Amino acid sequence: KQEVTQIPAALSVPEGENLVLNCSFTDSAIYNLQWFRQDPGKGLTSLLLIQSSQREQTSGRLNASLDKSSGRSTLYIAASQPGDSATYLCAVRLDSWGKLQFGAGTQVVVTP
Amino acid sequence: GAGVSQSPRYKVAKRGQDVALRCDPISGHVSLFWYQQALGQGPEFLTYFQNEAQLDKSGLPSDRFFAERPEGSVSTLKIQRTQQEDSAVYLCASSPVQVGMNTEAFFGQGTRLTVV
Repeated sequence: KQEVTQIPAALSVPEGENLVLNCSFTDSAIYNLQWFRQDPGKGLTSLLLIQSSQREQTSGRLNASLDKSSGRSTLYIAASQPGDSATYLCAVRLDSWGKLQFGAGTQVVVTP
Repeated sequence: GAGVSQSPRYKVAKRGQDVALRCDPISGHVSLFWYQQALGQGPEFLTYFQNEAQLDKSGLPSDRFFAERPEGSVSTLKIQRTQQEDSAVYLCASSPVQVGMNTEAFFGQGTRLTVV
């Protein structure tokens, strides 16, 4: 059974520092991996989607890498801002229908 | 509509009550998913619809949980005889395509259910 783990569970950094969030999964047979952001009381906002054949994906200050063979993905957020404070979730797509398996998330606080 | 809409946003139910949670997906979206998110955890898959057909209900935790999408658009998640362990945020997501396409799903803001 696929398991998705995110470490650390919580992270606090001063504004301007780079953020590194880790996600690991036990079964490399995935369709893709997605990073989401969740603000308190809100739904999920998709940040980046990496296809299983890709190694990385970039959008603005965000960069996500994927190493399927080792079951790892890393989300980098450059030059963090207080507005980046949120919970970040990674999810792997398990089947052709689109079922997602999520990690428990990393709660990020960026202090001014 | 512009996005996935869920109602109500908040629901407080007394233990033993039945509740119904509604999801309006993005117009024309074929796939619809329900997830349950307990406090401090990631969302857990409940069930999946392709149009009106419920193709996967393996994540429904008990026979008290029932979902339907009779006309292939709006979906309702019903929980009978609610228990305290049902307290969670229920998220709905929709996607424009179906089998074999690597596209993303769009999530609603969720319904926070509290059973007292």
